[in-house]
Amino acid sequence: NAGVTQTPKFRILKIGQSMTLQCTQDMNHNYMYWYRQDPGMGLKLIYYSVGAGITDKGEVPNGYNVSRSTTEDFPLRLELAAPSQTSVYFCASSYSEQGYEQYFGPGTRLTVT
Amino acid sequence: GQNIDQPTEMTATEGAIVQINCTYQTSGFNGLFWYQQHAGEAPTFLSYNVLDGLEEKGRFSSFLSRSKGYSYLLLKELQMKDSASYLCAVRDEDYKLSFGAGTTVTVRA
Repeated sequence: NAGVTQTPKFRILKIGQSMTLQCTQDMNHNYMYWYRQDPGMGLKLIYYSVGAGITDKGEVPNGYNVSRSTTEDFPLRLELAAPSQTSVYFCASSYSEQGYEQYFGPGTRLTVT
Repeated sequence: GQNIDQPTEMTATEGAIVQINCTYQTSGFNGLFWYQQHAGEAPTFLSYNVLDGLEEKGRFSSFLSRSKGYSYLLLKELQMKDSASYLCAVRDEDYKLSFGAGTTVTVRA
């Protein structure tokens, strides 16, 4: 199993550009999450999904959108990139809400200038 | 919402013991987690407590007191590879995780 994979690893965007961060898991997990991590800060939940076709906002959803058309994929979309979105983005998954371990992808380091 | 506090940094010597404290204030509680994160890498799961008491897993132990809103992670027989950030995370009544800012542990020879 590859676990949770994310692409790209690094990306530099100009202000106002758009991009999609890809996340795929091959563990047949129902629950998937997107977090951002700023230097010296904890991970903040952006969006999460409890299954295909179902998504919900986390703590910091503004400026982002998600979709969940399959169990495996959970892409995160930035429509109009802003410098405040410079961060490291982690995707994670877990089998269920009761499953106590979240598995994290390797992260995408995004810089908006 | 959740308010999670843990020290920013700790330094210890190889072979020693270090205890990382975490206090939390929560509107709901469904478990407390500790994750390890090496610089530039993803967090990896270390431990989980949902009932009061001590959970031991090799060199790592985690303790929880729900009435005090308090947990600690104990790292024994420290090794250089234990130099990392340790994240305390609380799961709320909706099963979402809220993370503390992390404690950076530096192990010196």
